[in-house]
Amino acid sequence: KNEVEQSPQNLTAQEGEFITINCSYSVGISALHWLQQHPGGGIVSLFMLSSGKKKHGRLIATINIQEKHSSLHITASHPRDSAVYICAPYGTASKLTFGTGTRLQVTL
Amino acid sequence: DTAVSQTPKYLVTQMGNDKSIKCEQNLGHDTMYWYKQDSKKFLKIMFSYNNKELIINETVPNRFSPKSPDKAHLNLHINSLELGDSAVYFCASSPPGQGRAQHFGDGTRLSIL
Repeated sequence: KNEVEQSPQNLTAQEGEFITINCSYSVGISALHWLQQHPGGGIVSLFMLSSGKKKHGRLIATINIQEKHSSLHITASHPRDSAVYICAPYGTASKLTFGTGTRLQVTL
Repeated sequence: DTAVSQTPKYLVTQMGNDKSIKCEQNLGHDTMYWYKQDSKKFLKIMFSYNNKELIINETVPNRFSPKSPDKAHLNLHINSLELGDSAVYFCASSPPGQGRAQHFGDGTRLSIL
C-alpha cells in the first residue's frame, strides 16, 4: 500500500465546476506540498501547508494533521486547470513522499 | 531568469553509455534534490544535498553519482546506462528549514535505446 493515497485518480469536470482532490497519508509529517504538473511536464508548487487552510486565487488547500488528510479545491474550474495534481507530504529528514497524482481534465 | 534550470532537456543515448545531467539554481537555496519520474508518472526522490553535503540517498544504484561543486549546482552522472533508466529526471531546490516549498526544474527526459 502506498504511503500516500490520492482520490480520485482521474477526474473530468466541466468548466465552472467546483473540484475537490483528496489526499490521505500514513506517514508522520511536518508539512505537505500540493504540486501541479502540466501536460508539458513542468512541476509547480501550489501550496506548502502544515495546518489549517491556505488560499491562492481559485485554489484552496486544507490539511488536518490529526486525521492525516489534505484536500485541494478548485473553484470555478477552467480548461487551463487541466493538469496532474500531486500531493507530497514532507516526512522524516525533509523527504517528500509523492502520491500517484490526480489527472484533471476540465472541458468547455 | 529561470530559477532552477536543468540541461539537457532531452537526452537520447544507447545502453551502456555514461551521461550527465546538470542542474543549477539561482534562488540562493541551501538544499537541492534529484527526483525520478517513471513511465507511470510516479515521482520518487533519489538524492538530496544540503550545502554540498549528501543528506538523502534513496537506495539508488551505484551507477548514479550526484556531485555538488557548490550549493547552487547539483549534477547527476549516470554510468553504464540501462533500459530501466529511461525516465524524466527532475532537479529541485528549497531554502533552509523544515518543510519548505520546493522549486522544480523543467525536467530532463532520458531515453535509452
